[in-house]
Amino acid sequence: AQSVTQLDSQVPVFEEAPVELRCNYSSSVSVYLFWYVQYPNQGLQLLLKYLSGSTLVKGINGFEAEFNKSQTSFHLRKPSVHISDTAEYFCAVSGGYQKVTFGTGTKLQVIP
Amino acid sequence: EAGVAQSPRYKIIEKRQSVAFWCNPISGHATLYWYQQILGQGPKLLIQFQNNGVVDDSQLPKDRFSAERLKGVDSTLKIQPAKLEDSAVYLCASSRTSGLTDTQYFGPGTRLTVL
Repeated sequence: AQSVTQLDSQVPVFEEAPVELRCNYSSSVSVYLFWYVQYPNQGLQLLLKYLSGSTLVKGINGFEAEFNKSQTSFHLRKPSVHISDTAEYFCAVSGGYQKVTFGTGTKLQVIP
Repeated sequence: EAGVAQSPRYKIIEKRQSVAFWCNPISGHATLYWYQQILGQGPKLLIQFQNNGVVDDSQLPKDRFSAERLKGVDSTLKIQPAKLEDSAVYLCASSRTSGLTDTQYFGPGTRLTVL
């Protein structure tokens, strides 16, 4: 079975500061990894995904994530956050014949 | 391109009542998903359709939940009778194919409150 752990339920950060949202996964097969963002009262929107190849993946809105197989991690980073980045971020994994499994989410609060 | 549409956006019912949610996916998307998102948790897949056939309904509580996608386009999810623990946001998503790498596009969700 596969699983996703997002240890930080909330991350406050000042505007223009860098941020890292942590994601660790567990799976017995090769994985595909995703980060989604959910703005208040909206559905989820794909930020980026890792399928294969380069371990550094760039996404929309200046976000990037790095796949680390040895540490089974897929942390999301942004060098300088804006107020508009305030949202909830979900890490997700799929692989083998298994459907997508989502983490419990991390709420990013950008402080002016 | 129009996104995934869902209605209603909000619904309040009493326990043991019935409720239905509607979803219209992005045009041309063969795969449709229904997720349940309980407060403080990530979305959990309830059912996945490929055209009008069910691909995965292993986490659907079939004694009270049902879903259909009769013409392979829009879909309805029903709960009968509702329980307090069904309070959640119900998200519909669609993708071009059923591949694990395919991007899923989500609707805004229906927030259900069961009193």
